[in-house]
Amino acid sequence: NAGVTQTPKFQVLKTGQSMTLQCAQDMNHEYMSWYRQDPGMGLRLIHYSVGAGITDQGEVPNGYNVSRSTTEDFPLRLLSAAPSQTSVYFCASRSRGGAREQYFGPGTRLTVT
Amino acid sequence: SQQGEEDPQALSIQEGENATMNCSYKTSINNLQWYRQNSGRGLVHLILIRSNEREKHSGRLRVTLDTSKKSSSLLITASRAADTASYFCATSSTGGYQKVTFGIGTKLQVIP
Repeated sequence: NAGVTQTPKFQVLKTGQSMTLQCAQDMNHEYMSWYRQDPGMGLRLIHYSVGAGITDQGEVPNGYNVSRSTTEDFPLRLLSAAPSQTSVYFCASRSRGGAREQYFGPGTRLTVT
Repeated sequence: SQQGEEDPQALSIQEGENATMNCSYKTSINNLQWYRQNSGRGLVHLILIRSNEREKHSGRLRVTLDTSKKSSSLLITASRAADTASYFCATSSTGGYQKVTFGIGTKLQVIP
C-alpha cells in the first residue's frame, strides 16, 4: 500500500493564483482531513470529510475549498492564493469508528509571493 | 485554537537519558494520541490512549493520562539520537466525527 500520497511536494504561487493540492489514500479510509502547519502553531484543521460526498469545515477554512467525489481522493483548492496561505499542508486519513490513528501524507510546502 | 499544549516546547538531552513531555488539554476527549514528526516529514502515529485508560506502554514509550487534570505525559526511555524529532499530542473529541486537534509540539534533541 502507498498509504497517503500528496502532490506536489513543493509549490510557489503568486498572489491571486489558484491551485489544487492533491491527496489520495489507498486504505479505504472513510475519514480524510486537511491540516496546515505553521511555525509555533502546530497543525490546524482546514476541512475534513467523513465519506464520499460529505465535507465540513475545520478550524481555518477560509480561502480553501474541498470536495470528495470518491473514497480515495480529497483535493484541496486554493481559490485566490494569499501570502498568509504560505504553509506546509498535510493530508490525513483514518478509518471510521472508535479510537483510530491518523495516517499522514508527506506534506506539500506552499509559498505564496 | 489548539486543544492540547505541550510542555516543554524544546528539550535537549544526552543519549541514554529519559525524555518526558507533557500535554494539557481543555475539553472532554474520547482519546489522546502522540505523534512524531521528523524534520521535513509527515507525522507518524506513536501511541493512542483512550479516555478510560490511565497508562499505556509501547516499546520504549510510556504514556499516562489523567482526565481529572486534563493532562497526559509521554516518556521515552533510554533515548537514542534517532529519537530527535518534534512530538505532538492530539486529542480526539467526543461525538460522531471525533475531530482531532493538535498541540504546538515539543522539539526533542537527543545528543549522541
